[in-house]
Amino acid sequence: SAVISQKPSRDICQRGTSLTIQCQVDSQVTMMFWYRQQPGQSLTLIATANQGSEATYESGFVIDKFPISRPNLTFSTLTVSNMSPEDSSIYLCSVVFVGQGPSDTQYFGPGTRLTVL
Amino acid sequence: LAKTTQPISMDSYEGQEVNITCSHNNIATNDYITWYQQFPSQGPRFIIQGYKTKVTNEVASLFIPADRKSSTLSLPRVSLSDTAVYYCLVRGSGNTGKLIFGQGTTLQVKP
Repeated sequence: SAVISQKPSRDICQRGTSLTIQCQVDSQVTMMFWYRQQPGQSLTLIATANQGSEATYESGFVIDKFPISRPNLTFSTLTVSNMSPEDSSIYLCSVVFVGQGPSDTQYFGPGTRLTVL
Repeated sequence: LAKTTQPISMDSYEGQEVNITCSHNNIATNDYITWYQQFPSQGPRFIIQGYKTKVTNEVASLFIPADRKSSTLSLPRVSLSDTAVYYCLVRGSGNTGKLIFGQGTTLQVKP
């Protein structure tokens, strides 16, 4: 089965700094998404990463804070900018693989645990 | 977007069958029903997905009545390792592929 990897798996950062999280898939995907899961909470969709164009952000999330790139069919990055302790969360990417048909099942990466001091 | 409602928590014992019911009254015609399992500090793991009637795989069964306004995830003979949060989701309308997660059901399996 296909592998979804995220780097780093965890990090501890100082407030005011930025962190870029990578999501790499070993086969082509049609759609890629970024989610956030705050401590003890459910997952919240941040944005849809669009290949070759600007990401589509959900309400409450903006490009200046969470810039996203998706240069090809297998790779995306999410940057958490100017971090504050409130950004401490697990960040997850999810993908829909090519050829899945109408069901569009999403598969999730292992997540990146971010702690901001 | 179709909202889902499921119990916040459930307890069970090893070897028992567990049924978790989810309601999704506003499900759209083209929506699929998907269940995920999540262990602490891990990404959600896809369990099963269905559109209508019954779907079974090596892990679970999914029962969907004709009106599709609810669904039941059935886990046969649970073990301690099945202790996790289980999310019922309906794919967002408009075919954007977005998933809206509710709070999920925390299943605690006891020895």
